Amino acid sequence: NAGVMQNPRHLVRRRGQEARLRCSPMKGHSHVYWYRQLPEEGLKFMVYLQKENIIDESGMPKERFSAEFPKEGPSILRIQQVVRGDSAAYFCASSPRAAVGTYNEQFFGPGTRLTVL
Amino acid sequence: GENVEQHPSTLSVQEGDSAVIKCTYSDSASNYFPWYKQELGKGPQLIIDIRSNVGEKKDQRIAVTLNKTAKHFSLHITETQPEDSAVYFCAVRGSQGNLIFGKGTKLSVKP
Repeated sequence: NAGVMQNPRHLVRRRGQEARLRCSPMKGHSHVYWYRQLPEEGLKFMVYLQKENIIDESGMPKERFSAEFPKEGPSILRIQQVVRGDSAAYFCASSPRAAVGTYNEQFFGPGTRLTVL
Repeated sequence: GENVEQHPSTLSVQEGDSAVIKCTYSDSASNYFPWYKQELGKGPQLIIDIRSNVGEKKDQRIAVTLNKTAKHFSLHITETQPEDSAVYFCAVRGSQGNLIFGKGTKLSVKP
């Protein structure tokens, strides 16, 4: 039973380029969360998605960042026109069931480490 | 919004000793409190969690206690081993299901 998969594991981009980060949840999980981790800090929530729906994007910057979780295929976190401050580790987590009103265990992938030159 | 404070930021213990990490939170409605272990270069790994309807949970050498009145919860690791060395994060479930993390505790277990 494969865990949460993320690719690429490492991504280098120059300022102004686009970064696309992919996340495949665990089998049977239909809820995906994206988090960002700066060096020496905890994880900060960005966005929560179900298949074809964004449930909560309160932690995601309004500009340059977008996320999707299509009916088929992985969830994608897209960062347009990257800047040096976007350099961080980006983790996704998946959960088997809805979060609101229930307890939900979240299982994390290995992360994508984005470096912006 | 919810605020999670975690202490200490670093902790060094001798192999075989116990380690305790403490977290406080602000929202009294919070009801789910997981702990994660993160090794260098890897994603966080869920090691134990506790729901608000219990005060303590134990899994082998790891235990978590919850005091809802005081709004704090703690991770206890007994008989520490070098492989316990990692960064440990507490978290609290937010109102929309996302997790709000503490800033982490770097645990070093010296052989």
